[in-house]
Amino acid sequence: GEDVEQSLFLSVREGDSSVINCTYTDSSSTYLYWYKQEPGAGLQLLTYIFSNMDMKQDQRLTVLLNKKDKHLSLRIADTQTGDSAIYFCAETRLRSGGSYIPTFGRGTSLIVHP
Amino acid sequence: KAGVTQTPRYLIKTRGQQVTLSCSPISGHRSVSWYQQTPGQGLQFLFEYFSETQRNKGNFPGRFSGRQFSNSRSEMNVSTLELGDSALYLCASSVRENTEAFFGQGTRLTVV
Repeated sequence: GEDVEQSLFLSVREGDSSVINCTYTDSSSTYLYWYKQEPGAGLQLLTYIFSNMDMKQDQRLTVLLNKKDKHLSLRIADTQTGDSAIYFCAETRLRSGGSYIPTFGRGTSLIVHP
Repeated sequence: KAGVTQTPRYLIKTRGQQVTLSCSPISGHRSVSWYQQTPGQGLQFLFEYFSETQRNKGNFPGRFSGRQFSNSRSEMNVSTLELGDSALYLCASSVRENTEAFFGQGTRLTVV
């Protein structure tokens, strides 16, 4: 299976909370990231969490990490139509070449409807 | 502080041609990585450069190559283009290894 897995779609109503989930396979992952991609644009780094943390909060964003289950989630509070985008989960770990290369999930399309 | 700049934004090439894409990292960033994004394969790592040295390479054929200059700017080259090379090519820069990567807007390459 893939190293990083995400569900492909999530649909929420404006004002509700969104929770985007991600699982990864390698327990030696050091950093885990969430990126946002809007149509026609590159990836925007939203937040990241170091592997020795359980939770990180940044305004409307909350990242939860369950290292035992290798599960990462991104919660967006009070979701707005401007949050509609593709969200990518990524993990990094030391590779055989001696550097850290992120591995990305396929992305979750978040659709926010009124 | 300027972000990662990729040029050109859009490119149309014919099969068999070659193409060069450019990436200017954020000032002070020495690590530059390249990714190919397609609907079918998602984001796939191409290669990473740090201080003008290629440190890692993804699973792509030798037609894909790159380099980094002393000012950290990077170029990637694809020779003998195939239809399947049509993709969004993204460049990311970071201060050094294993620090957060910042992405450019990408270059949309269409091969006809």
